[in-house]
Amino acid sequence: AQKVTQAQTEISVVEKEDVTLDCVYETRDTTYYLFWYKQPPSGELVFLIRRNSFDEQNEISGRYSWNFQKSTSSFNFTITASQVVDSAVYFCALSEGGATNKLIFGTGTLLAVQP
Amino acid sequence: EPEVTQTPSHQVTQMGQEVILRCVPISNHLYFYWYRQILGQKVEFLVSFYNNEISEKSEIFDDQFSVERPDGSNFTLKIRSTKLEDSAMYFCASASRMGRNEQFFGPGTRLTVL
Repeated sequence: AQKVTQAQTEISVVEKEDVTLDCVYETRDTTYYLFWYKQPPSGELVFLIRRNSFDEQNEISGRYSWNFQKSTSSFNFTITASQVVDSAVYFCALSEGGATNKLIFGTGTLLAVQP
Repeated sequence: EPEVTQTPSHQVTQMGQEVILRCVPISNHLYFYWYRQILGQKVEFLVSFYNNEISEKSEIFDDQFSVERPDGSNFTLKIRSTKLEDSAMYFCASASRMGRNEQFFGPGTRLTVL
C-alpha cells in the first residue's frame, strides 16, 4: 500500500539555521513520483519539486535542496539559511505510475522560523 | 502565469443543504482532481477526472458527492446533502500529463457546515 510518513510534526528554528524535513514513503510500484508542496499560512498549496523513481540525483534550487535515497525510501528536504518567510507547513507526497496519478500526502511538517 | 482558480473562497451552509464548489483548471490541462483538507490535517484525495469521466475515487467520495465538467472550462464538485464532517478546505488541481507532471492546485474553498 502507498504511504507517506513525515515523522516531524513541528520544527522550530531561528533564522539562518539550516533545517531538514524528513519524508519516508512506501510503495510497491517501481515507477513512482515524489513531490514536496509548501502550504503557507494563507492556505494555498505551492509546488516545490518533483522527482521520479529513476532519478536519484540530488537537486539544489537556491536555498532548497532535496536528497532522494531509494535504499531507505526517503526524500528529505533541506532549507539552508532559513528565513521567516519559510514558515509554513510542508507536505511530502507520492504518486504511483497508475491510471490516475493521485497524490498521497504525508501529514505535513509545520516549520516555524523565528527571527 | 496560468493558474487554477476556485470559487467561492469561503462557503457557509446549513447541514443538509447542497453546495457546488467551482474550479477553473489551467486551460490546456487534461487531468482534474479534487482533494480536501480537514483543518489541521493532511490533504486527502477525493476524485480524479479525465476524458469526461471519473477515473478514480476514494472511499470519502460517496454517493453524496459528484463531479462535473459542464463546459470546456469549469470543473465542479457537488455535495448533495452536507454534513458537519464535510467542513474542510477543498482544493481543485489539474495536470497536463500523467505521472511526470506535477499537479497545480487552486487556492481552495473553505466549506463550513453549520
